[in-house]
Amino acid sequence: AQSVTQLGSHVSVSEGALVLLRCNYSSSVPPYLFWYVQYPNQGLQLLLKYTTGATLVKGINGFEAEFKKSETSFHLTKPSAHMSDAAEYFCAVSGSGSARQLTFGSGTQLTVLP
Amino acid sequence: EPEVTQTPSHQVTQMGQEVILRCVPISNHLYFYWYRQILGQKVEFLVSFYNNEISEKSEIFDDQFSVERPDGSNFTLKIRSTKLEDSAMYFCAGAPGANNEQFFGPGTRLTVL
Repeated sequence: AQSVTQLGSHVSVSEGALVLLRCNYSSSVPPYLFWYVQYPNQGLQLLLKYTTGATLVKGINGFEAEFKKSETSFHLTKPSAHMSDAAEYFCAVSGSGSARQLTFGSGTQLTVLP
Repeated sequence: EPEVTQTPSHQVTQMGQEVILRCVPISNHLYFYWYRQILGQKVEFLVSFYNNEISEKSEIFDDQFSVERPDGSNFTLKIRSTKLEDSAMYFCAGAPGANNEQFFGPGTRLTVL
């Protein structure tokens, strides 16, 4: 079975500061890992994904994440926060079933302070 | 750029009524999914659909739920007799393959009174 834990349901950073959103997972198979962003009243948009290969993954809007197997982590970072980054962020791991359905974490609401 | 669409954006219904939520996935996608998000909670998997049949389903997806791809373009989720606890945002998603990223629609907010 798969599970995802996101530490910190709410994170606040100042504009221009480092963004760090934490995600730990458990998986019975080699994981595919994802970060999605959800803006108010909108659907889920893929930020980045890790499947195989390079463990440092770059995504859209300047975000990146590093897959660390030894720590079972996939933390999301951005060097400099922008006001437009304020949103809810979900980490997800794909399942071992044939359709590889996603298991989501509980989400982290990011607030960017001026 | 192609996108997943869902209708309606908001559905209000009385408890015990049937509802059908509709999705139009991206045309070259082969795997289809429904997820739901109860207000303030995490996104939960309901069901996946491939080759015109259910491939996986969660405990939430009981006999009250069904899915269909009636015409090769639409993908529907039917709830036969809605309960108050079915109130949630329902997201449709699709992917070209099981190992590909899933593309989500904007969701349908279902309110059961």
